[in-house]
Amino acid sequence: DQQVKQNSPSLSVQEGRISILNCDYTNSMFDYFLWYKKYPAEGPTFLISISSIKDKNEDGRFTVFLNKSAKHLSLHIVPSQPGDSAVYFCAASYLNNDMRFGAGTRLTVKP
Amino acid sequence: NAGVTQTPKFQVLKTGQSMTLQCAQDMNHEYMSWYRQDPGMGLRLIHYSVGAGITDQGEVPNGYNVSRSTTEDFPLRLLSAAPSQTSVYFCASTRGPSDTEAFFGQGTRLTVV
Repeated sequence: DQQVKQNSPSLSVQEGRISILNCDYTNSMFDYFLWYKKYPAEGPTFLISISSIKDKNEDGRFTVFLNKSAKHLSLHIVPSQPGDSAVYFCAASYLNNDMRFGAGTRLTVKP
Repeated sequence: NAGVTQTPKFQVLKTGQSMTLQCAQDMNHEYMSWYRQDPGMGLRLIHYSVGAGITDQGEVPNGYNVSRSTTEDFPLRLLSAAPSQTSVYFCASTRGPSDTEAFFGQGTRLTVV
């Protein structure tokens, strides 16, 4: 059973606009949420995270929002750049770093 | 600083063959783990280790063995390869239990025919 879901397999946005990637989870025990970015033929790299005690975390152009009551988080990228084109994975963890990943969303930023 | 190094990058196996995927990290991280990535499934945890001599199962452990004799190395063994094990395998390491930011290797693309 997939405890972390990314229901949009792909997203296309224009350069300079906002990209919003969504993620839903089912396990209320998750206490830490992360976003990873993956380019082809490379391993995922950490992008941004948020603890369950917060509802927002910002790092430059990247902001993650957490809505615990809805079991939903989102990643906002503003402004989007062509170099942001990649697959983005949402992940959630609890106990001993047992991270669960979503299926990923492929973001394409068009110049 | 090499980070997490996986070898080989590509491998083709025949059904029933065995092999070991190597993973080494030079960051003195306590935690190491193996994931497989399949289309539409994201990354699924196979096995993980919280320190030398300690390993545990993840979501999809069947058909795989691991050991952790040193802090640096965490090999993944396929005992008898099956076509269902065709996947991309990623090794990851984390500083410790309070740090969930994982560093990933570049991956091993395995095809079982």
